[in-house]
Amino acid sequence: KQEVTQIPAALSVPEGENLVLNCSFTDSAIYNLQWFRQDPGKGLTSLLLIQSSQREQTSGRLNASLDKSSGRSTLYIAASQPGDSATYLCAVKRGGATNKLIFGTGTLLAVQP
Amino acid sequence: GAGVSQSPSNKVTEKGKDVELRCDPISGHTALYWYRQSLGQGLEFLIYFQGNSAPDKSGLPSDRFSAERTGGSVSTLTIQRTQQEDSAVYLCASSSQPETQYFGPGTRLLVL
Repeated sequence: KQEVTQIPAALSVPEGENLVLNCSFTDSAIYNLQWFRQDPGKGLTSLLLIQSSQREQTSGRLNASLDKSSGRSTLYIAASQPGDSATYLCAVKRGGATNKLIFGTGTLLAVQP
Repeated sequence: GAGVSQSPSNKVTEKGKDVELRCDPISGHTALYWYRQSLGQGLEFLIYFQGNSAPDKSGLPSDRFSAERTGGSVSTLTIQRTQQEDSAVYLCASSSQPETQYFGPGTRLLVL
């Protein structure tokens, strides 16, 4: 059974700091991995999607890496801003007959001005 | 263009009542998913529709939960005889397979 864990559960940093969020998964047979952010009382916003054949994806100040063999992904946020404060979730898709996402436990990020 | 929409945004009901939650996916998206987000359980998959294929119902927690998708577009999630443990945020997502899933704002269900 696929289990997805995120560390740390919560993180508070001063504005401008670079930071790394971690995601680990137990079954390396994934189709892709996706990072989302969720603002309080809102739905999920997709940030980056990495296919299983890819090593990383970048969008603006965000960079996500994937190491399938070790079952890990990291989300790097450069020059953090207060507007980055949210819960960050990673999710893996196994593919095949099922396309459901298995979500991690989330990291609650607070960027202090 | 328009994103995924869900209604109602909030629903308060009494234990034992039935509720229906609605999802309007992004036009043209063939895949539709329902997830549930509750305290202590995180975000968990409920059901998945892909075109005219039989839905993947493997995440439905009990036979009180059912969902249908009419005409390959709008979907309704029905919870019969609601229980307090059904209180959660119910999220719908759609995708143009096999790419990114786009999520709606969710329906916050409170069962008293």
